[in-house]
Amino acid sequence: GENVEQHPSTLSVQEGDSAVIKCTYSDSASNYFPWYKQELGKRPQLIIDIRSNVGEKKDQRIAVTLNKTAKHFSLHITETQPEDSAVYFCAASSDSGYALNFGKGTSLLVTP
Amino acid sequence: DVKVTQSSRYLVKRTGEKVFLECVQDMDHENMFWYRQDPGLGLRLIYFSYDVKMKEKGDIPEGYSVSREKKERFSLILESASTNQTSMYLCASSLFSQRDDYGYTFGSGTRLTVV
Repeated sequence: GENVEQHPSTLSVQEGDSAVIKCTYSDSASNYFPWYKQELGKRPQLIIDIRSNVGEKKDQRIAVTLNKTAKHFSLHITETQPEDSAVYFCAASSDSGYALNFGKGTSLLVTP
Repeated sequence: DVKVTQSSRYLVKRTGEKVFLECVQDMDHENMFWYRQDPGLGLRLIYFSYDVKMKEKGDIPEGYSVSREKKERFSLILESASTNQTSMYLCASSLFSQRDDYGYTFGSGTRLTVV
């Protein structure tokens, strides 16, 4: 089955800096790669996703890049703010509606 | 506008009890999923369902079963609760679609403690 590895497990940045979280996957058939943000005590929420026919996708301060050849994808957050502090999970799936395999999460702390 | 509802936020059960965790979604989604979330281990898939009365094992199905008698409801059953099943349980649903507006919607989670 699919195996998703996520690094780093913790990340601390100063407000205004950029943050990058990286994930690798094992199943070359995977074609859907979402990212979820989970604030303390809350449910995970989808923040951005990308399909395998796209190399990069942006939404304001958040971007995701995908390298299918190397089987890795990354989340980039620019101009970080304290409210970006949360646990971020990457995931991979062979289809949008099928089961997602999640990475173990990255705890991001943005200090003022 | 809660769209995926888990019946209990916190639950304390005794070892050996049969435990039912309920999840209901009002978005007419075909797919429903149960995950458990543990610190350092991320979200691990227990069971999922693509349709009524249909179920598939995930990565860690041992000690669990599921029921999906209606499209909107997906129940997770711990046949005989054990302390190593103490965890946060998350239910999710999604469309069975290649459209852009897919992706999981999660419930708020049930924190289960088995004593």
